[in-house]
Amino acid sequence: NAGVTQTPKFRVLKTGQSMTLLCAQDMNHEYMYWYRQDPGMGLRLIHYSVGEGTTAKGEVPDGYNVSRLKKQNFLLGLESAAPSQTSVYFCASSGTSTVRQFFGPGTRLTVL
Amino acid sequence: EDQVTQSPEALRLQEGESSSLNCSYTVSGLRGLFWYRQDPGKGPEFLFTLYSAGEEKEKERLKATLTKKESFLHITAPKPEDSATYLCAVQAGGGTASKLTFGTGTRLQVTL
Repeated sequence: NAGVTQTPKFRVLKTGQSMTLLCAQDMNHEYMYWYRQDPGMGLRLIHYSVGEGTTAKGEVPDGYNVSRLKKQNFLLGLESAAPSQTSVYFCASSGTSTVRQFFGPGTRLTVL
Repeated sequence: EDQVTQSPEALRLQEGESSSLNCSYTVSGLRGLFWYRQDPGKGPEFLFTLYSAGEEKEKERLKATLTKKESFLHITAPKPEDSATYLCAVQAGGGTASKLTFGTGTRLQVTL
């Protein structure tokens, strides 16, 4: 099992460009999450999903959109990137019977 | 609002020098407290879940304990390979997804 995978690993954008980060999990988990991690701030929840076709806002949702068209995939979109969105993005998933979250390896995004 | 505070921010130990990391929290209705380990450039890796005051869990040189206000991660006779950032997180309240609130972590360095 690959667990949680993220694509791409690194990306550099210019201000105003758009991009989509892809998260995939092969553990048949119902719940999926997107976090960002910034120095001194810890991991902060952007959006999450409790099942296929559902999404909800987390702590810092502004400037991001998400979609969960398939149970195993969770996409994070930036429509118009800003330098404040420079961060490391982590995807995670968890099942309904266990609260433990499994994390992906992260995507390092730089917005110039 | 749920809050998690970790101390110290950074800790440097010599191999074999035991110590403890602290995680204090304020939360309405704790459902679980989690410890994760994060190596540079990687995603967090699950260590422990604690559910109620008085609970303890052990794994190799690590032991996690929980009280009503804080958790400790005790590291006994650490080795250089224990060097990492240790993250604490809490799950609180109701809801259908296991949303976590993270602390900013303790960066541990173990030297020979």
